[in-house]
Amino acid sequence: SAVISQKPSRDICQRGTSLTIQCQVDSQVTMMFWYRQQPGQSLTLIATANQGSEATYESGFVIDKFPISRPNLTFSTLTVSNMSPEDSSIYLCSVEGREGRGEQFFGPGTRLTVL
Amino acid sequence: AQSVTQPDIHITVSEGASLELRCNYSYGATPYLFWYVQSPGQGLQLLLKYFSGDTLVQGIKGFEAEFKRSQSSFNLRKPSVHWSDAAEYFCAVAPTGGGNKLTFGTGTQLKVEL
Repeated sequence: SAVISQKPSRDICQRGTSLTIQCQVDSQVTMMFWYRQQPGQSLTLIATANQGSEATYESGFVIDKFPISRPNLTFSTLTVSNMSPEDSSIYLCSVEGREGRGEQFFGPGTRLTVL
Repeated sequence: AQSVTQPDIHITVSEGASLELRCNYSYGATPYLFWYVQSPGQGLQLLLKYFSGDTLVQGIKGFEAEFKRSQSSFNLRKPSVHWSDAAEYFCAVAPTGGGNKLTFGTGTQLKVEL
């Protein structure tokens, strides 16, 4: 399985500011995913990021609020823009497994608190 | 739309006791099935997966899961729980017909009493 790292591991931010989360994979992957996990909740997919194309956002998530970059096959960023306390969550990136059957491997997550 | 149900929000077991966590899915065809574990402050770790074939699958950390098509279930089991198994467990499904999206259940929080 791929080894995935995320930066920062946690942050406390003021409302109205933006935070960019980085996701680094130790091997080349086609598809990367970004999830949000609100306190005490399950995971919700924000968007799918393919290298060389625009990210595909799920219903309820928009590019202006969560811009995503995917400059190469091992790296992606998610920005949480104009933050409010409701954005306080764990943000996780994941990559698809080699078998391409829906299996995903996850990074350790970024715990964000917005004051 | 596909959905995943984990009917038990919280489960408490004694160390050494057996464990079964329930998962039911609603989908037009048998999906690919997964169990993940999330320890406090950690990301998700894949415990096991079912694609096809033998309906009893073995995973890491002594866990196993059984796929029952007639019940649309994929329950997770462990014969003897260790205190380190305390964590949140998520069942997830992915479509077999293409696409890579995982749909997660709401999770079951496992507490282990010593």
